[in-house]
Amino acid sequence: EIVLTQSPVTLSLSPGERATLSCRANESVRTSYLAWYQQKPGQAPRLLIFGASSRATGIPDRFTGSGSGTDFTLTISRLEPEDFAIYYCQDYGSSFGTFGQGTKLEIK
Amino acid sequence: EVQLVQSGAEVKKPGESLKISCKGSGYRFTTDWIGWVRQMPGKGLEWMGIIWPDDSDATYSPSFQDQVSFSVDKSISTVYLQWSSLKASDTAIYYCARPASGQWLVEYWGQGTLVTVSS
Repeated sequence: EIVLTQSPVTLSLSPGERATLSCRANESVRTSYLAWYQQKPGQAPRLLIFGASSRATGIPDRFTGSGSGTDFTLTISRLEPEDFAIYYCQDYGSSFGTFGQGTKLEIK
Repeated sequence: EVQLVQSGAEVKKPGESLKISCKGSGYRFTTDWIGWVRQMPGKGLEWMGIIWPDDSDATYSPSFQDQVSFSVDKSISTVYLQWSSLKASDTAIYYCARPASGQWLVEYWGQGTLVTVSS
C-alpha cells in the first residue's frame, strides 16, 4: 500500500516569498501519476498539477510541480495572498488514489 | 460547463439512516465514473469509491465496503451516497467527485455536504 508523506506539516511564509512543499512516497509512483490540489477553508479542493508537472487549466505559472519516482515537489515562486491554503498531493495511479496528509501554508 | 451540485448539510442521530445526493450537468452523465471523497474534521481526503451511472456498477474502497452504498437515478443525472445506520465517526464533509477517465485524479468536485452525527 502506497503512503504519501508531506512535509512540512505547516509552512509559515510571507507574500512574495517562495514556497517549497514536499511529497515523498514509500514506493515509486507509477508513471508519475502524482497530482497536487489546493484547498481553502470551506471550499472543495482544486486541482493544480497532474502528471507531476503539468498545470491544470487556469492555474497560474507561479505554481510548478517537479519530481519523479518517490520524491515530488510543489513550488510556488512568489506567494500571493490567495495562495495561503492547504495543499495535498495524490498518487492517482494507486488503488483508490492515495492522498497525502496535507501541508498548511500559512501567512507569517 | 461541468457542474456537480450536492444536497445540503444534514444533522442526524446515531443509528439513523441518510441519503445525500449529487447532481451532475454539463457532460454525458451516464458514461463517466463519479464517486465520493470523505474529509473528516480537520483531516485529509479519502476516496470512498466510484459508480458507473449507466449500469450502477460500483467499486468501494475496502475501508468503506459494507459501510455505505452508492446508487444512481439516471433520469435526473443524480448519484446518491447512503448510510443505513449512522455512527458519530461518520461526521465529515462528503464530496462527490468526477475522476479523470481510468484514474483517481479529480478534475471536478461538488461543493461538499457536511454530515454531522451527534446524539
